[in-house]
Amino acid sequence: GAGVSQTPSNKVTEKGKYVELRCDPISGHTALYWYRQSLGQGPEFLIYFQGTGAADDSGLPNDRFFAVRPEGSVSTLKIQRTERGDSAVYLCASSARSGSGADTQYFGPGTRLTVL
Amino acid sequence: SQQGEEDPQALSIQEGENATMNCSYKTSINNLQWYRQNSGRGLVHLILIRSNEREKHSGRLRVTLDTSKKSSSLLITASRAADTASYFCATDAVGGNNRKLIWGLGTSLAVNP
Repeated sequence: GAGVSQTPSNKVTEKGKYVELRCDPISGHTALYWYRQSLGQGPEFLIYFQGTGAADDSGLPNDRFFAVRPEGSVSTLKIQRTERGDSAVYLCASSARSGSGADTQYFGPGTRLTVL
Repeated sequence: SQQGEEDPQALSIQEGENATMNCSYKTSINNLQWYRQNSGRGLVHLILIRSNEREKHSGRLRVTLDTSKKSSSLLITASRAADTASYFCATDAVGGNNRKLIWGLGTSLAVNP
């Protein structure tokens, strides 16, 4: 079956602009995660959804970042007034059950965001 | 914030040799997982070991966990060129509603043919 997909694969924007990054999880997966990965680093947790609700958004760096998952499937990560420091690969993952740490998270290919 | 630290940061070996990577973490955990990342396939889950387990095998992979030392090791036996990738450990913390994974910085493995 299809894995996690993310669009766009690459996004180049100018400082101060607004961007939306989309994630399509594996069908039927109730848990969805967003991570951010900078060059040479491991992924950094941003937010976790269980169904439609954000169960843990403690990793969002500031109020310029927010994410939605209105129907419990597709999720959109939205970044306002982008800054050069937001440049990174944004990774989405989904898992099948309760989203417990014991569940395998399946990752998408990521969206590479470059803020000029 | 990063929870884990992998060492070595980079490792270069010849095909057929074994590769050992280590991971240390800071807080009590429920589980520890190892992932592989390369440019072709993104992040791929390799193996999960629970906090009450000490060793686990999957094919050419062997993972150990020492909760008293807050450390884990990943051994890849009989390495292949296709094993070239970055390897990350990820943990989930005990308690609360915390379901996020906290990741180390990764070990970059190069397997030379």
